Amino acid sequence: NAGVTQTPKFRVLKTGQSMTLLCAQDMNHEYMYWYRQDPGMGLRLIHYSVGEGTTAKGEVPDGYNVSRLKKQNFLLGLESAAPSQTSVYFCAITRLAGTDTQYFGPGTRLTVL
Amino acid sequence: AQSVAQPEDQVNVAEGNPLTVKCTYSVSGNPYLFWYVQYPNRGLQFLLKYITGDNLVKGSYGFEAEFNKSQTSFHLKKPSALVSDSALYFCAVRDEEDSSYKLIFGSGTRLLVRP
Repeated sequence: NAGVTQTPKFRVLKTGQSMTLLCAQDMNHEYMYWYRQDPGMGLRLIHYSVGEGTTAKGEVPDGYNVSRLKKQNFLLGLESAAPSQTSVYFCAITRLAGTDTQYFGPGTRLTVL
Repeated sequence: AQSVAQPEDQVNVAEGNPLTVKCTYSVSGNPYLFWYVQYPNRGLQFLLKYITGDNLVKGSYGFEAEFNKSQTSFHLKKPSALVSDSALYFCAVRDEEDSSYKLIFGSGTRLLVRP
């Protein structure tokens, strides 16, 4: 997983609860991403960051917030969880220096009841 | 706008036979193309990519992909399938000019290799 870890691995929430997913990387990469994976829809980009202190919206940002206060960590927040946010969430980094390839963390499976 | 299409939800092939998983793309500029594989309850693993140069790209586990600019396709191939190749495969594209390196993914194709 190219040094990308995600916490937690599983979580069950009730509608309206909040939580934060943590993505951590140990290789000093600038570019980090949050995706969600849903059956038949592939991976869709939620938010991304091109460096410490910067974030930007992806394809499906509504209902999520992110922060990148430290270069190593990219946090994804759900302020008021909804059943439609039941999904598997993946964090990724882009490794530059000639390879220009995204590498993914192991994922977080979130269920919202 | 960028997009990726994987027209087959599932591909079935017998072990030892060649396999092809199809992918077509749309970008405004030059494409960078990727294939990833996902095994059950795992993250995505990088297989191969095309950036420039030879249209036939070789990757991990004996997979290869052929870039066809006129048909805007990047099909994944393997000469002889293994049961262990059974997994979910994703094609992805990004525009060469996109400085954020964002990827757009297809919906995925499930490959089932029967013994």
